[in-house]
Amino acid sequence: SAVISQKPSRDICQRGTSLTIQCQVDSQVTMMFWYRQQPGQSLTLIATANQGSEATYESGFVIDKFPISRPNLTFSTLTVSNMSPEDSSIYLCTTSQGAIGQETQYFGPGTRLLVL
Amino acid sequence: AQSVAQPEDQVNVAEGNPLTVKCTYSVSGNPYLFWYVQYPNRGLQFLLKYITGDNLVKGSYGFEAEFNKSQTSFHLKKPSALVSDSALYFCAVRDRGRNSGAGSYQLTFGKGTKLSVIP
Repeated sequence: SAVISQKPSRDICQRGTSLTIQCQVDSQVTMMFWYRQQPGQSLTLIATANQGSEATYESGFVIDKFPISRPNLTFSTLTVSNMSPEDSSIYLCTTSQGAIGQETQYFGPGTRLLVL
Repeated sequence: AQSVAQPEDQVNVAEGNPLTVKCTYSVSGNPYLFWYVQYPNRGLQFLLKYITGDNLVKGSYGFEAEFNKSQTSFHLKKPSALVSDSALYFCAVRDRGRNSGAGSYQLTFGKGTKLSVIP
């Protein structure tokens, strides 16, 4: 499976500011995904990011709040904009690998964000 | 809509005893089912998946899971628990019938079960 790294691993931010999270994969992958894990909660998909096209956002998530870039097949960024304490979460980048229709998602180590 | 239920917030088991972490699911079509483990301050690690074929799936670290279509369950099991198995376990489902459009690759996760293996 691909090795996924994220930067930063954790951060403490002030409300109203923005943070950009980077996700690097050690091989070329078509599909990348961004999830959020709020404290004590399960994981929720934010968006799917394919190289060369606009990100597809899930219900409840919008591009103005969570802009995503996917400049090439090994890299993506997620920006958390105009942060509030409710954005305090773990943000996880994943890739999907395997035969078409039988893919497995592999997760990065996550970025732990605390908004004060 | 697809959903996953993990009915137990926490499971405690003595080291060396068998463990079971329960998961039931709901999808409109046929499911892809997954188990992931999250160790403290770490990301999620893939354990195993059911796609098709044999209902008993074997995965990493000695874990296995049994797909039961009639009971819509996919319980995670291990014959002999280790203290190092203590972690948060997530069951996830994807509807096999959705292969295009927004959300087609979306994994729906359960809320997680904290496994504590007692020495």
